[in-house]
Amino acid sequence: GEDVEQSLFLSVREGDSSVINCTYTDSSSTYLYWYKQEPGAGLQLLTYIFSNMDMKQDQRLTVLLNKKDKHLSLRIADTQTGDSAIYFCAEGSDDKIIFGKGTRLHILP
Amino acid sequence: EPEVTQTPSHQVTQMGQEVILRCVPISNHLYFYWYRQILGQKVEFLVSFYNNEISEKSEIFDDQFSVERPDGSNFTLKIRSTKLEDSAMYFCASSDSTGQVTDTQYFGPGTRLTVL
Repeated sequence: GEDVEQSLFLSVREGDSSVINCTYTDSSSTYLYWYKQEPGAGLQLLTYIFSNMDMKQDQRLTVLLNKKDKHLSLRIADTQTGDSAIYFCAEGSDDKIIFGKGTRLHILP
Repeated sequence: EPEVTQTPSHQVTQMGQEVILRCVPISNHLYFYWYRQILGQKVEFLVSFYNNEISEKSEIFDDQFSVERPDGSNFTLKIRSTKLEDSAMYFCASSDSTGQVTDTQYFGPGTRLTVL
């Protein structure tokens, strides 16, 4: 069945780049997403990438997709304390979204 | 900016009781969703709803669950007889236009359900 896997924790120094990795199983997914969840808040869509693209850049965010390996990554350049959150990788098929468990990004001073 | 709201933020109930979780989707949205996240686990899709009927549901969404859009603004999730394993954070989401996957699903802040 459909599954999305990602590491649970990542610690990064302020100012460095953060790279969060994810693997998924459903090759028929049309879109892949990154959602951000801050404490007490809902899931905020950060960015998404169409499955026939291999890269998408949006300001400090860069998404890389390796469709052959079913590997997705999110790079956050110049990580700030406000980036501290849980980041969910997700794949979309039909009208539902399948989420990973989320990676908690911790920013070190 | 319009947002999805959910009430209550935290619901505590006894096992076997019925609960209704409420959501107010973004006003011009047509597709509505419920997801849940058991503590420490993944966010899981429960159900999608369009044109006053369920369009897709997961295997989690059994006969104990039902959804309703009782008026033009609310979207509710009812659990008829709660079990301990129903304890989770429940997220409502909505999207506009055609419900294609590209349409952004906007999520509410969630309702934490605790079943004792």
